[in-house]
Amino acid sequence: QKEVEQNSGPLSVPEGAIASLNCTYSDRGSQSFFWYRQYSGKSPELIMFIYSNGDKEDGRFTAQLNKASQYVSLLIRDSQPSDSATYLCAVNLIIQGAQKLVFGQGTRLTINP
Amino acid sequence: EAGVVQSPRYKIIEKKQPVAFWCNPISGHNTLYWYRQNLGQGPELLIRYENEEAVDDSQLPKDRFSAERLKGVDSTLKIQPAELGDSAVYLCASSSGLLLDFGSGTRLTVV
Repeated sequence: QKEVEQNSGPLSVPEGAIASLNCTYSDRGSQSFFWYRQYSGKSPELIMFIYSNGDKEDGRFTAQLNKASQYVSLLIRDSQPSDSATYLCAVNLIIQGAQKLVFGQGTRLTINP
Repeated sequence: EAGVVQSPRYKIIEKKQPVAFWCNPISGHNTLYWYRQNLGQGPELLIRYENEEAVDDSQLPKDRFSAERLKGVDSTLKIQPAELGDSAVYLCASSSGLLLDFGSGTRLTVV
């Protein structure tokens, strides 16, 4: 099992709809979870982070965390073509006693006008 | 405030040649990371520095890769000799906590 898993997509969503991106992780002791957006040919940029179970909202973005299920998701409401990008889930794992930020492979999202 | 600065932006070299990448982190960020990102994959950590100390280099292929962060600010990552499989984007990031800021990356092509 990969430490952080995402569906690579591509995920295609019509403009104005809700895009739902999912991520699972292997370490039950993980405490910190991040979503990065990466446009083609660009570097990742942080869009959301969440530490506690439940939902965290920031504008059109909502991060959801369920530690019991080892699952974190990102919802994008009112999707816009400018949201088309690869979304990377990152989890702070404890590996061999040390904290390490591990990224999933990313989900490529396309918003269709 | 300037972000994380990396150079060069692109590099094409022949296999077996050496190559070096440079990174200047955000001022005040004590933690510096080098990641490698292959096409269609997420970034993979190569090395993490706390100030000038390499605290996690478990994923760095030490037979050909080396890194340094003199004076705890700028950092260089070197590959010698480069192999075809080293073609990737090399990302530098810095942080003062858990939130990373990435540089624009260096796209390395080994031919």
